[in-house]
Amino acid sequence: GIQVEQSPPDLILQEGANSTLRCNFSDSVNNLQWFHQNPWGQLINLFYIPSGTKQNGRLSATTVATERYSLLYISSSQTTDSGVYFCAVVAGNQFYFGTGTSLTVIP
Amino acid sequence: DSGVTQTPKHLITATGQRVTLRCSPRSGDLSVYWYQQSLDQGLQFLIQYYNGEERAKGNILERFSAQQFPDLHSELNLSSLELGDSALYFCASSVVYGATQYFGPGTRLTVL
Repeated sequence: GIQVEQSPPDLILQEGANSTLRCNFSDSVNNLQWFHQNPWGQLINLFYIPSGTKQNGRLSATTVATERYSLLYISSSQTTDSGVYFCAVVAGNQFYFGTGTSLTVIP
Repeated sequence: DSGVTQTPKHLITATGQRVTLRCSPRSGDLSVYWYQQSLDQGLQFLIQYYNGEERAKGNILERFSAQQFPDLHSELNLSSLELGDSALYFCASSVVYGATQYFGPGTRLTVL
């Protein structure tokens, strides 16, 4: 299967700071998605981004499929951004998840 | 609230038993996905259905099976349970394959 690596594994930010999370993958993929799991366990699909750049409020994502990586930008972080961010790639009809970046935003 | 419901929320059972987890997708969503999240394995994709038909199969054990019914709800059946099956099982739904997925709150399974 495809290897998905996320970095950094852990991140602690002061409220208001910006951050960049990275997802590297080992082979060509059909699709890439970013998910957020909040501290209560709820999973939310943030972006469906096989290539290019998308923005949603303070979050944006860029995928460079030819170089096999994707970046998730969080600007002006808030405490509600805390949780784990997962990247998942889709190859064929299979989903492969990274191990996540755990983000803690301190007030 | 994502609109996806899962029952039960918690399930405690013994090794060797069989359980059924249920998922009701959002109204209008034809695709249902099942995922397992455990401390050992992280998040893993199990299986996907689209409009009643199996569309993709991931790391699903042979002891596990699933189906999507004509009313589009889905059930995940886990049999001959082992300690290692203890995990959070999520269901997600989307309008079509590849569209944004909406997750249910999960079923926490504990096998003793």
